[in-house]
Amino acid sequence: QQQVKQSPQSLIVQKGGISIINCAYENTAFDYFPWYQQFPGKGPALLIAIRPDVSEKKEGRFTISFNKSAKQFSLHIMDSQPGDSATYFCAAPPGGSYIPTFGRGTSLIVHP
Amino acid sequence: DTGVSQDPRHKITKRGQNVTFRCDPISEHNRLYWYRQTLGQGPEFLTYFQNEAQLEKSRLLSDRFSAERPKGSFSTLEIQRTEQGDSAMYLCASRASGSDEQFFGPGTRLTVL
Repeated sequence: QQQVKQSPQSLIVQKGGISIINCAYENTAFDYFPWYQQFPGKGPALLIAIRPDVSEKKEGRFTISFNKSAKQFSLHIMDSQPGDSATYFCAAPPGGSYIPTFGRGTSLIVHP
Repeated sequence: DTGVSQDPRHKITKRGQNVTFRCDPISEHNRLYWYRQTLGQGPEFLTYFQNEAQLEKSRLLSDRFSAERPKGSFSTLEIQRTEQGDSAMYLCASRASGSDEQFFGPGTRLTVL
C-alpha cells in the first residue's frame, strides 16, 4: 500500500535551475516530513525536514513547502548544481511512530 | 568514523545459503532499524529495535529472516535459505531517543545467484 506518492520519477535540470520534487501523502497522522538524499552506493542522508505546524522551511538552497490541506509537500532546490545529482526520497512516519514510509524516489540529474 | 557502519558492504551467495549482516549504530543511539532497498525503490522497513527489544516487524520479514540486538548495541540480520528475490541493498539506521532523525549506514548489497 503506497501511502506516500512521489513525483516525478526522474528530473533533468540545467545548472543554476530550480529542481522541484513533489510528494503526496494519505495518512493525516503523519507529523514529520523529511527529505533524504542518496548517492550511488551510499545510504540515504537526511537533507531537510519539516513538521506540519509550519508551511515552509529553508536551509541554504533547499526549501520544503508544506500544504496540509492538500496533503502535499515538496522539495525545491534553488541554483541546482551538478553535485546535487542524486536520488531524493520523501518520507513520512505516522504520528507516534518513527517508522517512515518512503516514496519511490526521484533521480535528479543536473547538467553542467 | 562515528557514523553507522555495516559489514560486509557486499555479499554474493548462492541460492539456499545462509547469510548474516552486521550493523554498528552510532554509540549513543538506542533505536535501530533495518530496511531493504531494491533498485528504483525507496527503503522498505523490515524491523525496529529499541535497545535490545525488537518492537516491530514488517510483513516483509518472512520466517527466513531473523534479527537480533543482543546487548542493545550492534545488530545482526540473518537470512536463511536465501532466494534470488532476496537480492537487494540492506540498510541499517539508528536514531537517538527523543530525536526524529535517522542516520543510515552505507548498506550491504546482497546478490543471490
